Amino acid sequence: KAGVTQTPRYLIKTRGQQVTLSCSPISGHRSVSWYQQTPGQGLQFLFEYFSETQRNKGNFPGRFSGRQFSNSRSEMNVSTLELGDSALYLCASSWTTSGGAETQYFGPGTRLLVL
Amino acid sequence: TQLLEQSPQFLSIQEGENLTVYCNSSSVFSSLQWYRQEPGEGPVLLVTVVTGGEVKKLKRLTFQFGDARKDSSLHITAAQPGDTGLYLCADSGGTSYGKLTFGQGTILTVHP
Repeated sequence: KAGVTQTPRYLIKTRGQQVTLSCSPISGHRSVSWYQQTPGQGLQFLFEYFSETQRNKGNFPGRFSGRQFSNSRSEMNVSTLELGDSALYLCASSWTTSGGAETQYFGPGTRLLVL
Repeated sequence: TQLLEQSPQFLSIQEGENLTVYCNSSSVFSSLQWYRQEPGEGPVLLVTVVTGGEVKKLKRLTFQFGDARKDSSLHITAAQPGDTGLYLCADSGGTSYGKLTFGQGTILTVHP
């Protein structure tokens, strides 16, 4: 079974630009969560989607947004990039239909560098 | 807001040594998960513990969950270079959809 895939793996952008990252979950998984990982803040939850609906959101500004398609693939978008948005962006998928300790399977991440 | 503290932040040891890393929470865990993340990869789940006092073993790794469900430890026996990585503890947050709260992690380096 193929794992979670993320594209692109690496990205360089300049301040003020916008970026779209893509995540394909494990086949059959309907929940996709996104995280930002930085050396200073560690792994922080951005949002979660299930059946094309955002069910949960972390404490990030509105410049960070996402969506999920009917095939469970998900995208996240960051507008008006700032230097501090440089990070590894991870997505994770799971079976979960409700909250709880469902296992999340992580992709390899997209490393974003903002210059 | 739940805070997870992990210690030590960095650990550098020789192959064959034993080690323990710790995870403490400011509030009771809903369920505690330990992950390992290798460079260039996403975190991989090692174990989930739910019951206070629970001990789980995974080959050379032993996970303990405190009775009060606010702390946990991960003990590695006879560490190998393949154990090198970032070890993260996380809480599932009960009914919080899809959200894991992570500690800052312990970076472990095992030298041959």
